Amino acid sequence: DTAVSQTPKYLVTQMGNDKSIKCEQNLGHDTMYWYKQDSKKFLKIMFSYNNKELIINETVPNRFSPKSPDKAHLNLHINSLELGDSAVYFCASSRSLGRTEAFFGQGTRLTVV
Amino acid sequence: DAKTTQPTSMDCAEGRAANLPCNHSTISGNEYVYWYRQIHSQGPQYIIHGLKNNETNEMASLIITEDRKSSTLILPHATLRDTAVYYCIVRVENNFNKFYFGSGTKLNVKP
Repeated sequence: DTAVSQTPKYLVTQMGNDKSIKCEQNLGHDTMYWYKQDSKKFLKIMFSYNNKELIINETVPNRFSPKSPDKAHLNLHINSLELGDSAVYFCASSRSLGRTEAFFGQGTRLTVV
Repeated sequence: DAKTTQPTSMDCAEGRAANLPCNHSTISGNEYVYWYRQIHSQGPQYIIHGLKNNETNEMASLIITEDRKSSTLILPHATLRDTAVYYCIVRVENNFNKFYFGSGTKLNVKP
């Protein structure tokens, strides 16, 4: 069983469209995250949710809206997609907000054309 | 956040130990050193972390200098499947698991 799974794995869409990426973890973790990996391979946190509550929002444009229907799911909705949004987006989870390791999904490669 | 410096790339022969260095000279007293790796087209994978004592698990060993300004990740018997980018990260102080991954070290394990 995949611990942290994201769908879709690849997403190609036109500028201006709205798209969603889904994430689910079956580890029973309390905390989930969205990270963005840019073309230079730098990976930066975007959001963190703990027990469905938003904890971290790293100055991400408000076109990006995370939604956590329950603590096993954290979806990312992106409105009015721009070329600069092209990147690989990773979902992750950890047991808690404390000093525990994070488990990452396989990533979603988003390409905006 | 403490900044980390790692070599861009390293080579290692299969079956030999791979020693990956990391400098973090501005680390604060209660900041932990984490190591992750990313195999091509996959998500990052946790390897090990430590505060000041050396740590060992089934994947690797982490050696942290006494002044904590640098550390070394040791893969004792590298295999071809260990070819990946290895990230050394110093975790911020606010306990929010807020990781920033820099450019890392590309480890090439060769037969």
